[in-house]
Amino acid sequence: EPEVTQTPSHQVTQMGQEVILRCVPISNHLYFYWYRQILGQKVEFLVSFYNNEISEKSEIFDDQFSVERPDGSNFTLKIRSTKLEDSAMYFCASSEDNGAYEQYFGPGTRLTVT
Amino acid sequence: DQQVKQNSPSLSVQEGRISILNCDYTNSMFDYFLWYKKYPAEGPTFLISISSIKDKNEDGRFTVFLNKSAKHLSLHIVPSQPGDSAVYFCAAKLRFGNEKLTFGTGTRLTIIP
Repeated sequence: EPEVTQTPSHQVTQMGQEVILRCVPISNHLYFYWYRQILGQKVEFLVSFYNNEISEKSEIFDDQFSVERPDGSNFTLKIRSTKLEDSAMYFCASSEDNGAYEQYFGPGTRLTVT
Repeated sequence: DQQVKQNSPSLSVQEGRISILNCDYTNSMFDYFLWYKKYPAEGPTFLISISSIKDKNEDGRFTVFLNKSAKHLSLHIVPSQPGDSAVYFCAAKLRFGNEKLTFGTGTRLTIIP
């Protein structure tokens, strides 16, 4: 069964460093998303991406964040200068464009900023 | 932002019995509702969904009920199995289409053998 994959599973970085989280969405999906979950809190929407551009973003998704689909399979989230409060699980998700509204999530990347 | 609320952080149910997980929402513009299941160190897994034009949707052991006037939905699992032990998230979408999901805080379900 097709699934969303994410790498790395765990990333440790120092405050102020840049990180890139990678995702491979399900191959025939056209909508892509990033969410995050800070420990003990709810899953929060960051950004949605369709047709090579951002379709919606949350207040969390400020100028330090960017997304890119560099090729036909990968979808990346970049944090330019990480802060301690960026420590969280980051989930990538994708969905079809055929009227199905379910989003399918990857296993997540645990980002730890020290 | 508490647009989607799951007021029970945890629930324990005997194996074979019915598990009922509840979710309330405040935004009347939500049109589509989903339930996800999450194991530790894994991403949320889609379980079942319901659109606002229905009041019930069933898939095997899982049934979701929607009460629009009360802005309330529930997930019924029957019979409950040990593998159902996980955190369950309710999520909602503002309108039909591929829009963002707004999640509740989750309910940890433990099935007691």
